[in-house]
Amino acid sequence: DGGITQSPKYLFRKEGQNVTLSCEQNLNHDAMYWYRQDPGQGLRLIYYSQIVNDFQKGDIAEGYSVSREKKESFPLTVTSAQKNPTAFYLCASRTGLGATVEAFFGQGTRLTVV
Amino acid sequence: AQSVTQLDSHVSVSEGTPVLLRCNYSSSYSPSLFWYVQHPNKGLQLLLKYTSAATLVKGINGFEAEFKKSETSFHLTKPSAHMSDAAEYFCVVRITDSWGKFQFGAGTQVVVTP
Repeated sequence: DGGITQSPKYLFRKEGQNVTLSCEQNLNHDAMYWYRQDPGQGLRLIYYSQIVNDFQKGDIAEGYSVSREKKESFPLTVTSAQKNPTAFYLCASRTGLGATVEAFFGQGTRLTVV
Repeated sequence: AQSVTQLDSHVSVSEGTPVLLRCNYSSSYSPSLFWYVQHPNKGLQLLLKYTSAATLVKGINGFEAEFKKSETSFHLTKPSAHMSDAAEYFCVVRITDSWGKFQFGAGTQVVVTP
């Protein structure tokens, strides 16, 4: 089945540590996104990538980094510079931009700083 | 700039009664609009979308939405709520740029009582 796989589902991090969240898709989509979700704030865009080896900062990129070495993969690193990393993180990919445009989401990773 | 505003942060309905979730949008262009549903600790699932075709859009699970340009609204309705409809709902607009970004509303939490 085609879809987006995020791992792990739950992640605990000590303060000062970097952690990497995995996102893999087999939908053959060019565009991929990372969002952060906090209660009552909807989804906020962290980074997005239109094609391999290219990505752009979203609205809240500080303290995060990404790479896009393969079309299928778009990992997100939460660095120690992110002051409040505890949140639910969602990865998405997108079809084309015409009438068929749609974003597909993974099941999310819940990151907790302990 | 495109944006969406969800007018209710929480909606409580009785099982079997109609559901109305309100969304207003702001866009200089003909927008692409979406409704997504999220169950606890899960990813987002597309309910329906409007991409400049029919203004009354039917989605999954008995939901539908009507695009009203004169009112800049895209309200989501369902004639009869089911217990499984308890979830968070997001109204989303696709930002008209070359990157295909999406702007999310803050979400509406739906509670269904027996």
